[in-house]
Amino acid sequence: AQTVTQSQPEMSVQEAETVTLSCTYDTSESDYYLFWYKQPPSRQMILVIRQEAYKQQNATENRFSVNFQKAAKSFSLKISDSQLGDAAMYFCAYINFGNEKLTFGTGTRLTIIP
Amino acid sequence: GAVVSQHPSRVICKSGTSVKIECRSLDFQATTMFWYRQFPKQSLMLMATSNEGSKATYEQGVEKDKFLINHASLTLSTLTVTSAHPEDSSFYICSASGPAGRENTEAFFGQGTRLTVV
Repeated sequence: AQTVTQSQPEMSVQEAETVTLSCTYDTSESDYYLFWYKQPPSRQMILVIRQEAYKQQNATENRFSVNFQKAAKSFSLKISDSQLGDAAMYFCAYINFGNEKLTFGTGTRLTIIP
Repeated sequence: GAVVSQHPSRVICKSGTSVKIECRSLDFQATTMFWYRQFPKQSLMLMATSNEGSKATYEQGVEKDKFLINHASLTLSTLTVTSAHPEDSSFYICSASGPAGRENTEAFFGQGTRLTVV
Protein backbone atom coordinates (compact mmCIF):
# COMPACT_ATOMS: atom_id res chain seq x y z
CA ALA A 1 0.00 0.00 0.00
CA GLN A 2 1.11 3.51 -0.71
CA THR A 3 1.69 6.05 2.05
CA VAL A 4 2.20 9.80 1.96
CA THR A 5 3.91 11.65 4.80
CA GLN A 6 3.88 15.36 5.51
CA SER A 7 6.12 16.01 8.49
CA GLN A 8 5.26 19.68 8.95
CA PRO A 9 1.84 20.15 10.56
CA GLU A 10 2.26 23.93 10.44
CA MET A 11 4.45 26.38 8.59
CA SER A 12 4.54 30.14 8.45
CA VAL A 13 6.23 32.56 6.08
CA GLN A 14 6.54 36.29 5.74
CA GLU A 15 4.60 37.79 2.87
CA ALA A 16 6.70 37.98 -0.32
CA GLU A 17 9.15 35.38 1.00
CA THR A 18 9.65 31.79 -0.15
CA VAL A 19 8.52 28.69 1.70
CA THR A 20 8.99 24.98 1.05
CA LEU A 21 6.55 22.31 2.16
CA SER A 22 7.83 18.77 2.50
CA CYS A 23 6.28 15.52 1.35
CA THR A 24 7.63 12.01 1.17
CA TYR A 25 5.87 8.93 -0.09
CA ASP A 26 6.35 5.22 -0.25
CA THR A 27 5.41 3.03 -3.19
CA SER A 28 6.61 0.02 -5.11
CA GLU A 29 4.99 1.27 -8.31
CA SER A 30 6.83 3.02 -11.10
CA ASP A 31 4.01 4.78 -12.94
CA TYR A 32 2.26 7.25 -10.68
CA TYR A 33 1.31 10.87 -10.19
CA LEU A 34 1.87 13.26 -7.33
CA PHE A 35 -0.19 16.30 -6.48
CA TRP A 36 -0.33 19.25 -4.18
CA TYR A 37 -3.83 20.36 -3.27
CA LYS A 38 -4.72 23.56 -1.47
CA GLN A 39 -7.69 23.77 0.88
CA PRO A 40 -8.47 27.37 1.87
CA PRO A 41 -10.97 28.28 4.59
CA SER A 42 -13.80 27.69 2.11
CA ARG A 43 -12.68 24.02 2.22
CA GLN A 44 -12.83 23.68 -1.56
CA MET A 45 -9.97 21.44 -2.68
CA ILE A 46 -7.93 23.19 -5.35
CA LEU A 47 -5.23 21.54 -7.43
CA VAL A 48 -2.01 23.50 -7.13
CA ILE A 49 0.39 21.40 -9.15
CA ARG A 50 0.79 17.95 -10.62
CA GLN A 51 3.83 15.82 -11.36
CA GLU A 52 4.02 12.71 -13.49
CA ALA A 53 6.58 10.24 -12.16
CA TYR A 54 7.82 9.39 -15.63
CA LYS A 55 8.80 13.01 -16.24
CA GLN A 56 12.15 14.03 -14.84
CA GLN A 57 11.50 17.73 -15.22
CA ASN A 58 10.05 19.37 -12.15
CA ALA A 59 6.57 20.83 -12.62
CA THR A 60 6.04 24.56 -12.25
CA GLU A 61 2.90 26.68 -12.14
CA ASN A 62 3.65 30.39 -11.84
CA ARG A 63 4.86 30.93 -8.24
CA PHE A 64 4.55 27.24 -7.39
CA SER A 65 7.19 24.66 -8.21
CA VAL A 66 8.12 21.22 -7.00
CA ASN A 67 11.34 19.42 -6.26
CA PHE A 68 10.64 15.87 -7.31
CA GLN A 69 13.29 13.38 -6.23
CA LYS A 70 12.05 10.02 -7.46
CA ALA A 71 14.84 7.91 -6.00
CA ALA A 72 14.41 9.54 -2.61
CA LYS A 73 10.60 9.47 -2.96
CA SER A 74 10.41 13.11 -2.08
CA PHE A 75 8.05 15.71 -3.50
CA SER A 76 8.37 19.16 -1.94
CA LEU A 77 6.41 22.26 -2.90
CA LYS A 78 8.06 25.66 -3.14
CA ILE A 79 5.94 28.77 -3.01
CA SER A 80 7.74 31.90 -4.13
CA ASP A 81 6.68 35.47 -3.40
CA SER A 82 4.13 34.25 -0.85
CA GLN A 83 0.82 36.08 -0.85
CA LEU A 84 -1.88 36.39 1.76
CA GLY A 85 -4.16 34.31 -0.44
CA ASP A 86 -1.76 31.39 -0.18
CA ALA A 87 -2.79 30.81 3.43
CA ALA A 88 -4.45 27.39 3.51
CA MET A 89 -4.04 23.72 4.29
CA TYR A 90 -1.83 22.02 1.75
CA PHE A 91 -2.18 18.33 1.06
CA CYS A 92 0.28 16.17 -0.80
CA ALA A 93 -1.38 13.29 -2.65
CA TYR A 94 -0.42 10.23 -4.65
CA ILE A 95 -2.18 8.15 -7.29
CA ASN A 96 -1.13 5.16 -9.35
CA PHE A 97 -1.75 5.54 -13.05
CA GLY A 98 -4.81 3.48 -13.92
CA ASN A 99 -6.00 3.42 -10.31
CA GLU A 100 -8.16 6.41 -9.47
CA LYS A 101 -7.85 6.24 -5.69
CA LEU A 102 -5.90 9.10 -4.14
CA THR A 103 -3.76 8.72 -1.05
CA PHE A 104 -3.42 11.92 0.97
CA GLY A 105 -0.87 13.14 3.43
CA THR A 106 -1.95 14.63 6.74
CA GLY A 107 -1.59 18.19 5.52
CA THR A 108 0.44 21.29 6.35
CA ARG A 109 -1.27 24.44 7.53
CA LEU A 110 0.45 27.45 5.96
CA THR A 111 0.16 30.86 7.55
CA ILE A 112 1.26 34.00 5.74
CA ILE A 113 2.54 36.78 7.98
CA PRO A 114 1.80 40.27 6.62
CA GLY B 1 -10.56 21.69 -15.68
CA ALA B 2 -13.53 19.43 -15.15
CA VAL B 3 -16.28 20.60 -12.81
CA VAL B 4 -17.82 18.62 -9.98
CA SER B 5 -20.82 20.08 -8.20
CA GLN B 6 -21.88 18.96 -4.74
CA HIS B 7 -25.17 19.83 -3.14
CA PRO B 8 -26.15 20.93 -0.56
CA SER B 9 -23.22 22.89 0.81
CA ARG B 10 -24.70 22.95 4.29
CA VAL B 11 -27.42 20.89 5.89
CA ILE B 12 -28.81 20.64 9.38
CA CYS B 13 -30.96 17.67 10.24
CA LYS B 14 -32.57 16.20 13.31
CA SER B 15 -31.16 13.13 14.94
CA GLY B 16 -32.74 9.99 13.52
CA THR B 17 -33.53 11.42 10.11
CA SER B 18 -31.74 10.76 6.82
CA VAL B 19 -30.00 13.23 4.58
CA LYS B 20 -28.93 12.90 0.96
CA ILE B 21 -25.90 14.57 -0.58
CA GLU B 22 -25.52 14.77 -4.34
CA CYS B 23 -22.34 14.85 -6.37
CA ARG B 24 -22.51 15.65 -10.08
CA SER B 25 -19.86 15.76 -12.75
CA LEU B 26 -21.04 18.61 -14.94
CA ASP B 27 -18.95 18.37 -18.07
CA PHE B 28 -17.62 14.84 -18.18
CA GLN B 29 -18.69 11.30 -17.46
CA ALA B 30 -17.34 9.83 -14.26
CA THR B 31 -17.48 6.08 -13.99
CA THR B 32 -15.93 6.33 -10.56
CA MET B 33 -16.55 8.83 -7.81
CA PHE B 34 -15.17 8.96 -4.30
CA TRP B 35 -16.68 10.04 -1.01
CA TYR B 36 -14.53 11.45 1.77
CA ARG B 37 -15.13 12.58 5.29
CA GLN B 38 -13.01 15.29 6.84
CA PHE B 39 -12.82 16.00 10.55
CA PRO B 40 -11.69 19.45 11.70
CA LYS B 41 -8.02 20.14 11.03
CA GLN B 42 -7.50 16.66 9.62
CA SER B 43 -6.92 15.13 6.22
CA LEU B 44 -9.53 13.61 3.97
CA MET B 45 -10.57 10.12 4.95
CA LEU B 46 -11.82 7.97 2.08
CA MET B 47 -15.15 6.42 2.94
CA ALA B 48 -16.08 4.62 -0.25
CA THR B 49 -15.57 4.30 -3.96
CA SER B 50 -18.73 4.73 -5.98
CA ASN B 51 -18.91 2.79 -9.24
CA GLU B 52 -21.54 3.52 -11.85
CA GLY B 53 -23.96 0.65 -12.20
CA SER B 54 -22.52 -1.45 -9.40
CA LYS B 55 -22.22 -1.54 -5.65
CA ALA B 56 -19.95 0.85 -3.88
CA THR B 57 -16.73 -0.34 -2.32
CA TYR B 58 -16.45 0.75 1.30
CA GLU B 59 -13.27 1.32 3.24
CA GLN B 60 -12.67 -0.67 6.37
CA GLY B 61 -14.61 0.62 9.33
CA VAL B 62 -17.23 2.48 7.29
CA GLU B 63 -20.77 1.27 7.92
CA LYS B 64 -22.33 0.56 4.55
CA ASP B 65 -25.84 0.48 6.01
CA LYS B 66 -25.40 3.94 7.49
CA PHE B 67 -23.73 5.55 4.50
CA LEU B 68 -25.69 4.48 1.45
CA ILE B 69 -24.08 5.25 -1.87
CA ASN B 70 -25.83 5.16 -5.20
CA HIS B 71 -24.20 5.83 -8.54
CA ALA B 72 -27.15 5.63 -10.89
CA SER B 73 -25.63 7.44 -13.85
CA LEU B 74 -22.28 8.49 -15.22
CA THR B 75 -22.76 11.99 -13.87
CA LEU B 76 -24.43 11.50 -10.49
CA SER B 77 -23.50 9.81 -7.25
CA THR B 78 -25.41 10.24 -4.01
CA LEU B 79 -24.47 9.65 -0.40
CA THR B 80 -27.32 9.13 2.04
CA VAL B 81 -26.58 9.30 5.73
CA THR B 82 -29.29 7.20 7.29
CA SER B 83 -30.61 7.59 10.83
CA ALA B 84 -28.14 10.38 11.40
CA HIS B 85 -26.72 11.01 14.85
CA PRO B 86 -24.66 13.91 16.19
CA GLU B 87 -21.45 11.91 15.74
CA ASP B 88 -22.15 11.87 11.99
CA SER B 89 -21.74 15.63 11.93
CA SER B 90 -18.79 16.32 9.67
CA PHE B 91 -17.62 17.70 6.36
CA TYR B 92 -18.24 15.36 3.44
CA ILE B 93 -16.49 15.79 0.10
CA CYS B 94 -16.93 13.98 -3.18
CA SER B 95 -14.47 13.73 -6.03
CA ALA B 96 -14.40 12.32 -9.52
CA SER B 97 -11.56 11.39 -11.77
CA GLY B 98 -11.39 13.21 -15.06
CA PRO B 99 -11.93 11.65 -18.46
CA ALA B 100 -9.67 8.71 -19.20
CA GLY B 101 -6.20 9.48 -20.37
CA ARG B 102 -2.80 10.16 -18.95
CA GLU B 103 -3.14 13.92 -19.25
CA ASN B 104 -6.40 13.82 -17.28
CA THR B 105 -5.11 11.88 -14.32
CA GLU B 106 -6.21 14.00 -11.43
CA ALA B 107 -9.18 14.30 -9.10
CA PHE B 108 -11.78 17.02 -9.24
CA PHE B 109 -13.53 17.85 -6.03
CA GLY B 110 -16.98 19.03 -5.14
CA GLN B 111 -17.41 21.99 -2.85
CA GLY B 112 -18.12 19.80 0.14
CA THR B 113 -21.13 19.48 2.44
CA ARG B 114 -21.12 20.47 6.07
CA LEU B 115 -23.57 18.20 7.87
CA THR B 116 -24.77 19.11 11.33
CA VAL B 117 -27.00 16.68 13.18
CA VAL B 118 -28.89 18.18 16.09
